[in-house]
Parts: sequence; C-alpha cells; structure tokens
Amino acid sequence: DTAVSQTPKYLVTQMGNDKSIKCEQNLGHDTMYWYKQDSKKFLKIMFSYNNKELIINETVPNRFSPKSPDKAHLNLHINSLELGDSAVYFCASRSQDHSNQPQHFGDGTRLSIL
Amino acid sequence: RKEVEQDPGPFNVPEGATVAFNCTYSNSASQSFFWYRQDCRKEPKLLMSVYSSGNEDGRFTAQLNRASQYISLLIRDSKLSDSATYLCVVTSREYGNKLVFGAGTILRVKS
Repeated sequence: DTAVSQTPKYLVTQMGNDKSIKCEQNLGHDTMYWYKQDSKKFLKIMFSYNNKELIINETVPNRFSPKSPDKAHLNLHINSLELGDSAVYFCASRSQDHSNQPQHFGDGTRLSIL
Repeated sequence: RKEVEQDPGPFNVPEGATVAFNCTYSNSASQSFFWYRQDCRKEPKLLMSVYSSGNEDGRFTAQLNRASQYISLLIRDSKLSDSATYLCVVTSREYGNKLVFGAGTILRVKS
C-alpha cells in the first residue's frame, strides 16, 4: 500500500506548456507539502496545506498554483513552464498536530522542460 | 546564514569504518530534529528522529546539542548500502512547523 503517491513519475514537456502533478496520501494526515529539488540537490519547500488551507507559501512564482480538494489530495498546477522549472518535485504529508512527527514523501515527479 | 548547514562531503570511507556528520541550525527556537536519508534519484526517507538525550538505532547514533545548536549522526561499521545523502532536518513552531532541510552530506562507502 503506497502511503504517498504522486503522478506522473516522469514528465517531459516543452517550454510554455501547462501541466499538473497529482498527489494523494492515505495516511490520514492533516498536512501536505510540495517540495522542489533542483540539480544542486537542495530540497526546498514550496507550499504547505493543512486541512485544505494554505499555511506556507514560500517565494514561488505565481505560475505555480497548488490545489487541495480535500485533505488527502494536494495537486500542483504549473502554467507557462520554463527551463528553470526542470527539477524533481516531491509531495509529502505529516500529521500536523505533532511537530515531532516526520514527513512521509512520495516517489517524486521528474519534470524535464525541453 | 542558512537555516540548516551541513558539510556537503563527499565522505569516502572504507567498509567497517565509523563516520560522523554534523549539522548546525540557526533558529534557537527549533523544536524537532531528524536525519533523513536520500538515495540517488529517490525520495527522502526518515532515518531517525533526534531526541534531546541522544538516541541510538542499531549502528546509528544521533545527538543533539541545543546550547551549540548542532546535531550529529554517527554511523558505526559502515556498509556499502549506507552510501547515500544524509539530510539534516529541523522544524520550528515559529515557522508553522515546516521542515527545513539541510543541503545534505554525501557518504560513499567503498569495499
């Protein structure tokens, strides 16, 4: 049973296109996250949602729009893709009530912009 | 100054060696601490939480020094399978409990 699942695993597309990445968790967690890991391997938080509400929005271009239809899902839509968007995007979830609880990550979506 | 700093390495060690990584954090209000492991092209996975009194899990020992604001990870009897990037992670209620990741320390264990 996959705890945090992301689709697609690989995404290759052209500059200027619009694409979405989906994430679902079956752990009953309240909080979900999107991270970006670029070629330098630094893992950086983009967004965090708690019970469908946005609680963290780091400095991310507004071409990136997260959407949480319910607390088990957090999707990421990206408009007008740019070369610099090429990276691995990880979804994660955690039980927000307990700050000493770790996050569980999805397998990642490898986005390549041509 | 970065919120979480780690020596990027790589640390190249022979099998059976003991290796230690340190990590420093800038926010004195940080509350929870973790070590994650990330294999090449894979997702980060929790290795262990770090408790104030220090904790051990098999060959892995984690220590926390709040006064000096650093965390350490000691790996004894290194195995080839320990080769990975080790990420130091810190949370703070002040920042909405978000996890802040260090850039990672690369470990390569060789036979």
